Amino acid sequence: EDQVTQSPEALRLQEGESSSLNCSYTVSGLRGLFWYRQDPGKGPEFLFTLYSAGEEKEKERLKATLTKKESFLHITAPKPEDSATYLCAVQAWDNAGNMLTFGGGTRLMVKP
Amino acid sequence: DSGVTQTPKHLITATGQRVTLRCSPRSGDLSVYWYQQSLDQGLQFLIQYYNGEERAKGNILERFSAQQFPDLHSELNLSSLELGDSALYFCASSSGTSVLDEQYFGPGTRLTVT
Repeated sequence: EDQVTQSPEALRLQEGESSSLNCSYTVSGLRGLFWYRQDPGKGPEFLFTLYSAGEEKEKERLKATLTKKESFLHITAPKPEDSATYLCAVQAWDNAGNMLTFGGGTRLMVKP
Repeated sequence: DSGVTQTPKHLITATGQRVTLRCSPRSGDLSVYWYQQSLDQGLQFLIQYYNGEERAKGNILERFSAQQFPDLHSELNLSSLELGDSALYFCASSSGTSVLDEQYFGPGTRLTVT
């Protein structure tokens, strides 16, 4: 069974204080790892897809990296508008469809 | 705006009742997914349809069913509702034509069962 664990559950940062969010996964064969951002009461917003170990992707202040066991979402000099819950999900080769298995999320709060 | 629409936005109903949630995928997307998000369970995959056919099933209860129509919109039917069914229900869509598809989520339907 695919498993995704995110840590920490919650993270408070001061504006400009860089940090990283962790996503550990167990999957029989990784097809892809996805990062989403979710604001309260809204649907998850797609951020990145990573396919293989060593891959990195960047978008504004966010950078996602992938190893064989985990992914990190690095946030550089965050701003209050980066406050949200960040979700990690995996897609495995051994499932017939394209279902995503999500982690519990990291709730990020950035204070001005 | 992801391009995925869901109606209604909010739904309040009583235990034992039946409701239907509706989803319209992004233009051109063939796959529709349904997810349930509750405080204690997180975001859980329920079911996927691809071009009208059921493609994958997750932890969907027997009281729940879904279908995808020829115009590709989808409906999730929840029956014999229980208090524990209160949650946010999200629909997502993807093109479904490549091995790895990004899924784009709708704004969700918040279901409250009283």
